Amino acid sequence: DAGVTQSPTHLIKTRGQQVTLRCSPISGHKSVSWYQQVLGQGPQFIFQYYEKEERGRGNFPDRFSARQFPNYSSELNVNALLLGDSALYLCASSLAEGRSEKLFFGSGTQLSVL
Amino acid sequence: GIQVEQSPPDLILQEGANSTLRCNFSDSVNNLQWFHQNPWGQLINLFYIPSGTKQNGRLSATTVATERYSLLYISSSQTTDSGVYFCAARTTGFQKLVFGTGTRLLVSP
Repeated sequence: DAGVTQSPTHLIKTRGQQVTLRCSPISGHKSVSWYQQVLGQGPQFIFQYYEKEERGRGNFPDRFSARQFPNYSSELNVNALLLGDSALYLCASSLAEGRSEKLFFGSGTQLSVL
Repeated sequence: GIQVEQSPPDLILQEGANSTLRCNFSDSVNNLQWFHQNPWGQLINLFYIPSGTKQNGRLSATTVATERYSLLYISSSQTTDSGVYFCAARTTGFQKLVFGTGTRLLVSP
């Protein structure tokens, strides 16, 4: 079975532009979470979606938004890009949410903002 | 929110050596996981271990929830064990898993 897939793998944008990152969860997984990882740090939680509903949001500005589709795939959108948005964006899927949530990560999208 | 601290921050080993990585958390947890991030950035789930002990080959993990810490043991280390090890924890009533800052491991031949 395929793991979590993310696209694109790398992306270069300029300040002020908008970007959309995509994620397909493991087959049968209904929960998708997005994390931002800045070089040298641990992943920081951005959003979680379960059954197409937002279940949690991290401490990120409103420029960040996400959604989950009926097939459980997800998109993360970032508007008005800043240099500080340069990071590895990770998507994780899980079969359940809450205390039983076990995360499986994709390979990430490396975003560079120039 | 919950604070997750890992030690040591960096570790250098010779191939074949054993090591213990520690994760301390500031609140009671209902979910704790260990991950390995390889040099290419891929995060691999090693253990889901909110309490108790688990083993998977050369790796084992123990979480003592009442004392708010978890340990990851690596035995007979190999160069492929190199990378960054993260623990992540969730506390009751909190929606997200919080990651620690990681332990960077380098295993030399």
